[in-house]
Parts: sequence; structure tokens; C-alpha cells
Amino acid sequence: AQKVTQAQTEISVVEKEDVTLDCVYETRDTTYYLFWYKQPPSGELVFLIRRNSFDEQNEISGRYSWNFQKSTSSFNFTITASQVVDSAVYFCALSESMNNRLAFGKGNQVVVIP
Amino acid sequence: EPEVTQTPSHQVTQMGQEVILRCVPISNHLYFYWYRQILGQKVEFLVSFYNNEISEKSEIFDDQFSVERPDGSNFTLKIRSTKLEDSAMYFCASSEALRLTNEKLFFGSGTQLSVL
Repeated sequence: AQKVTQAQTEISVVEKEDVTLDCVYETRDTTYYLFWYKQPPSGELVFLIRRNSFDEQNEISGRYSWNFQKSTSSFNFTITASQVVDSAVYFCALSESMNNRLAFGKGNQVVVIP
Repeated sequence: EPEVTQTPSHQVTQMGQEVILRCVPISNHLYFYWYRQILGQKVEFLVSFYNNEISEKSEIFDDQFSVERPDGSNFTLKIRSTKLEDSAMYFCASSEALRLTNEKLFFGSGTQLSVL
């Protein structure tokens, strides 16, 4: 069964600091897909990034970057130079190749203090 | 950017009543989903729907739940005889692709259901 763990619950940072969100996943599938979603105070779920299990290349997209380590089953997400608008709940999610559902972690509440 | 639209944004109902949550997925999308988020808990998968039938459902999606695409644009979730524990934020989502391999889900803003 697919499982996602986000250990930290609430993280507060001062504006312009970097913030890293940890995500650890469990799956028996050899092919799977990892996602990060953002849920701002307005409530919708906004797609941020997706990685395939067979592509461990880490990337940077603007102020977002992620670190996919298959050996430790981790998919960490970093916001560089945080801004107040980054204040939201961030969810890590996993989808296995044999099903069409996302398994979400509990989320990290990020509070960026001006 | 196209978006998934959900109505109403808030729904209050009495225990035992039936509710219908409505969603308008993105027009060229073929796969539709419902997820829910009980306050303070994880977002949970309920059901996926393709070609006018359920393609996958979770253990949560029991006989009190049903989904329908009554016309070419709407996608509905019906909860018969609501229970207190059905209180949650319900998210509709849609995607173009058959699988989540190369696609992302587009989520709506959710319907907050409160069962009293």
C-alpha cells in the first residue's frame, strides 16, 4: 500500500529565509510518481511539481527546488527566499503505476512571517 | 488557466439528509475524481470516474456514495443519508490522461460539507 509521511506539522520562517519540507514515502511499486501540492488559505489544491521514480535528477524551478532520494525514499521540497504569499499548507503525494489515486501526506503548515 | 469549478462552496445539512455536491471539470478532461479532507487530516481519495463509469474507488466510498455525470459538463457526488462523520471538505479534480503518469490533477476549490 502506498503511504506518505510528512513529519513536521507547522513550520514558521521569517520572510526571505529558506524552508525545506520533508517527505518520506512507502511503496512496493517500482514505478511511481511523486507530487507536491500547495493549499493556500483560500482552500484549493494547487499543483507544484511532479517527479517520476525513474528520474532522480533534482531540479530548480524559480524559488522551488526538490531533492528526490530513492535510496532513502524521500522527496523533500525547498522554497528559497520565502515570501508571505508562500504561507500555505504543502502536501506531498504519491501515485503508484497500477492505480490512479493520489495518497497524500498530512501536510506541512508553512507560516512566513513578514 | 482553465479551472475546475465546485458548487456550493459551503453546504450545511441535517444528519440523514441527502446532499449532492456539484463539479464542472475542465472541458477537455476525461478523468474525474472526488477526494475529501476531514478537518486536520489527510486528503483522501474517494473515487475516479472515466467513460461514464467508476474506474476505481476507495474503502471510504461505500453504498451511501454515488457519482454521476448527468450531462456533458457536470460531475456530481451524492451522499445518501449523511452522517456526522461525512463532515469534510470535498474536492473535485480532473485530468486529461488515463493515468497520473504524465499528468497532474487539477483540483477545484472544494465544498465544505457540515453535517449537523
